[in-house]
Order: sequence, then structure tokens, then C-alpha cells
Amino acid sequence: DSGVTQTPKHLITATGQRVTLRCSPRSGDLSVYWYQQSLDQGLQFLIHYYNGEERAKGNILERFSAQQFPDLHSELNLSSLELGDSALYFCASSVEIAGGFYEQYFGPGTRLTVT
Amino acid sequence: AQSVSQHNHHVILSEAASLELGCNYSYGGTVNLFWYVQYPGQHLQLLLKYFSGDPLVKGIKGFEAEFIKSKFSFNLRKPSVQWSDTAEYFCAVSPAVSNTGGFKTIFGAGTRLFVKA
Repeated sequence: DSGVTQTPKHLITATGQRVTLRCSPRSGDLSVYWYQQSLDQGLQFLIHYYNGEERAKGNILERFSAQQFPDLHSELNLSSLELGDSALYFCASSVEIAGGFYEQYFGPGTRLTVT
Repeated sequence: AQSVSQHNHHVILSEAASLELGCNYSYGGTVNLFWYVQYPGQHLQLLLKYFSGDPLVKGIKGFEAEFIKSKFSFNLRKPSVQWSDTAEYFCAVSPAVSNTGGFKTIFGAGTRLFVKA
């Protein structure tokens, strides 16, 4: 158990719908990251938040958005869902090791199935 | 663009065989390097990491990796695999924090290892 929690574990929804995935970081971690794992794209970095502020963006679609709240939990919002959005969505939180390098701890993921 | 290349997508070994999984990355700056393991149905777990210092790093469960800077490689090794090592292994690279304070990890495509009992 990494200490990072994600809800829900599984989500099944239809095309065109909107869903919200939730992540709670480890106690004390200020950074939250979102990743998407799909069969065709592999593990892709989506976005990094630090203490409520967006710090880095990866291959995140415009239909997707995220935020980090004052209590440090984060939500990833996926809208106008398409079949290709079906994937495992991981959240991670991190602690700084030294000199700007971080060690990330991953949550169990939310498996999204779009039908 | 930064990328990570894992040479083998699928590896099948018998128990007690030695393992080496190749990983190369393309990034000119300072990086830290990771190997993660994902057991079936589970989340990513950190096997080992390299930040600086001794390029031969030892991780959990008897795994080790060697960073060869001149070859941009970070290969994972284990002298004797067990059936319980059956999993998917991901090499990952993280450049240093950006000037906006951002940090990201770039993953390779993964190698599925199956160990025959």
C-alpha cells in the first residue's frame, strides 16, 4: 500500500458522458500527478499539481481537466468521453529527495471503461 | 522529444534463469532513472532508482540496475528469477524539475516477463 488512494476503482460509462476521478495523496505530499495507461499508448503523463498550482502538463486532452484542492486531494475530470478514453488512470504523489528530484508513489488506479 | 525505449516487449524465462531487461533513454540533461514493476491487477511499485553516485544501484527483491551515461542506458538485472517475478516492468526517466517547478516521468512501453515454474 503506497498511501495514495483513488476512487472509484472501476467506472463504466457511455460515450459523451463526463466523469470525475478522485485522488488523495500520501500524508504530507504536496505534489499530485495524473497518468493514463492504455494498451495502445502505454503509460502517459497527463499533469502535475503542486500545492494547488498546475506545474507541468503532458499529453492531456482539452476534454480533460484537473485541479488540486486546499486539502491537497485532486480530481481529474474527463468529459465528452470517447471509446479511446478507456484506460487505467493512475494518480501519484511525491516527496522531494534532493536537488529537485522527486520519488513518486502510485495509487491503485481507476479503471475507466467507456461503452 | 524525450523518450524511453525498452528493447523487449515480452520475455519468457524459466525459474533460476538470469534476467536482463534493456532500457535506453533520450534526454541530454540530468535525469533520474527508475524501474517500476506492475504485478497483475496491481499498481506500480518502485523497484529501484538512480539519482547520482554509484551507477550500480540495488533495489528490492534482488534486482539491480546499471546506469551507463555514455550509452544513455539503465538496464535491469536479476541473477536468478522466480515464478513470483512474473509481472510487467517499466523503465522510467524523470528530467530535473523545470523552471516552472514542474516534474514528470516518462515511461517506456514496458516489458512483460513470464517466468515458468
